[in-house]
Amino acid sequence: EVQLLGSGGGLVQPGGSLRLSCAASGFTFYNHAMSWVRQAPGKGLEWVSGISGSGGSTYHADSVKGRFTISRDNSKNTLYLQMNSLRAEDTALYYCTRDSSKGLTPNNYFDYWGQGTLVTVSS
Amino acid sequence: EIVMTQSPATLSVSPGERATLPCRASQSVSSNLAWYQQKPGQAPRLLISGASTRATGIPVRFSGSGSGTEFTLTISSLQSEDFAVYYCQQYDNWPRTFGQGTKVEIK
Repeated sequence: EVQLLGSGGGLVQPGGSLRLSCAASGFTFYNHAMSWVRQAPGKGLEWVSGISGSGGSTYHADSVKGRFTISRDNSKNTLYLQMNSLRAEDTALYYCTRDSSKGLTPNNYFDYWGQGTLVTVSS
Repeated sequence: EIVMTQSPATLSVSPGERATLPCRASQSVSSNLAWYQQKPGQAPRLLISGASTRATGIPVRFSGSGSGTEFTLTISSLQSEDFAVYYCQQYDNWPRTFGQGTKVEIK
């Protein structure tokens, strides 16, 4: 059974930093690209960042480019999202998702989702 | 950026009736279109990929159709567990984008 267990969320002040983690199990981790998708309270879904199965390719949405960094440790089956210079508009539930293939291309959908970890940016 | 539009925002349907949920893309996405279901307090779940291919374990009452810019998710006979929010998502070009969702509520 595919499981994606996110952690690391919390309350942080504007301008602060946070690192999210996602522990994956139930599948061959390096065979899948991975992504983070977020959902602001009461709002819709927004893709944030993606990384290839090898970790060699990454892509970020314009809204977080230069502030967020996605990475992965295939030896630990873990995905990360380093979030710096956080803003109030980054407040959201962050979902770890599995891409439908190994390569990081736009042509992947999200076939499994974790339960989400909440990030609140407020003073 | 490809804009995905879902209208109406809310659809009121009686149990056992058919629900038809439209999704429109601002430019052609071929058949690179997925549908997700989200229930309150839960993560989204993949229903359909490739515009019409049901994901593993998804009941046959869910079907998807369309290509290019016009897509439809149909639920043939609504069950109580189907009342939820449904999102379409294009995966034809960066960035991958979602529609704003259609909430299916009990009439």
